[in-house]
Amino acid sequence: QQQVKQSPQSLIVQKGGISIINCAYENTAFDYFPWYQQFPGKGPALLIAIRPDVSEKKEGRFTISFNKSAKQFSLHIMDSQPGDSATYFCAASKIAAGNKLTFGGGTRVLVKP
Amino acid sequence: GAGVSQTPSNKVTEKGKYVELRCDPISGHTALYWYRQSLGQGPEFLIYFQGTGAADDSGLPNDRFFAVRPEGSVSTLKIQRTERGDSAVYLCASSFDGGYGYTFGSGTRLTVV
Repeated sequence: QQQVKQSPQSLIVQKGGISIINCAYENTAFDYFPWYQQFPGKGPALLIAIRPDVSEKKEGRFTISFNKSAKQFSLHIMDSQPGDSATYFCAASKIAAGNKLTFGGGTRVLVKP
Repeated sequence: GAGVSQTPSNKVTEKGKYVELRCDPISGHTALYWYRQSLGQGPEFLIYFQGTGAADDSGLPNDRFFAVRPEGSVSTLKIQRTERGDSAVYLCASSFDGGYGYTFGSGTRLTVV
């Protein structure tokens, strides 16, 4: 059962543009929603995360928007740079259940100079 | 060390052989996680340790997979009678107490031929 669905699978954006990645979850018990960035040959690295008691969180060029009623959340990358070219994963977990993450399928982002 | 260390970085083994994958977490981190990442997919949870004990092993695919963490630090993932379908990147992560945001290692790429 795929509990976290992520789209699109890939996207191409021009330098300076906005990248938008969407995720939808099924399990209403989830209470922690992180985004990870992964470069080839490396493990995922935590980018930004949100709890369901807030609707938006911004850190630098990265913003998470969260819609609890729709069970959806998204990542916006503003002013995209070539160094942002990577695979991005959304994830969800229930903190009290050991914080084991359920990941989406990933989005490969290519930022063209 | 400064990060999560996994060894070896690459392992090629023959079908039917036994393999051990090692994870050295960040010093002081009590929680340790193993995930498996197949090509083009998001990581999938395998097992979670809090201290020396396996708090949740619900992600282990079958009884050929086993993991230990005898002293609450280094962990070893053991796979018996390897199959070609076991080929994947095995990721280890650790966190201070199983709370928010854990740190992943770079993984061990296992290839079963």
